[in-house]
Amino acid sequence: RKEVEQDPGPFNVPEGATVAFNCTYSNSASQSFFWYRQDCRKEPKLLMSVYSSGNEDGRFTAQLNRASQYISLLIRDSKLSDSATYLCVVNIADSSASKIIFGSGTRLSIRP
Amino acid sequence: DAGVIQSPRHEVTEMGQEVTLRCKPISGHDYLFWYRQTMMRGLELLIYFNNNVPIDDSGMPEDRFSAKMPNASFSTLKIQPSEPRDSAVYFCASSSRGPFSGNTIYFGEGSWLTVV
Repeated sequence: RKEVEQDPGPFNVPEGATVAFNCTYSNSASQSFFWYRQDCRKEPKLLMSVYSSGNEDGRFTAQLNRASQYISLLIRDSKLSDSATYLCVVNIADSSASKIIFGSGTRLSIRP
Repeated sequence: DAGVIQSPRHEVTEMGQEVTLRCKPISGHDYLFWYRQTMMRGLELLIYFNNNVPIDDSGMPEDRFSAKMPNASFSTLKIQPSEPRDSAVYFCASSSRGPFSGNTIYFGEGSWLTVV
């Protein structure tokens, strides 16, 4: 089982719609969580951190559910420019080492 | 401010040739990472350095791959000899005070390698 799993998509939604996708992690020693965005043929860039209490940045909302070991990203009023791949990132710190695991990404395509 | 700078941006080489990828991290960043991205395997960490010292190279695929960081502003990833299965995008990234404490990882634009 992968340590971080994402639905690869693609999610194809109309402009203005609300879309949400999840990311599950398997290691209970996971400590911090992030969403990165990667545009086609570009490098990944930090979109937002995910805090325990959930957090919002404009149209984007990130949630963490430690009990079920998943994080989610909700995008409201989606724009054409939101089309990208969204990578879930988990920082695992246990007795052996710290490591950062990137999910394989969820592709989102917004249509006019 | 300059971000992470990688070269070359694109390289096409023949199987068996040596490939050297170069990276200049953001000034002041103590951590440098080399990642490889393919459609099949996603983004994989190959190796990372802290203060120029290799900390974890468990992701380096095999002996054909080697990485060095001779100083705080330069790192190389070398593949010798290259094989077609090495074709991928290689990202260099850097971070300050350790990404494990939640600091952002900044990626370069990547080196697109094709081995024919």
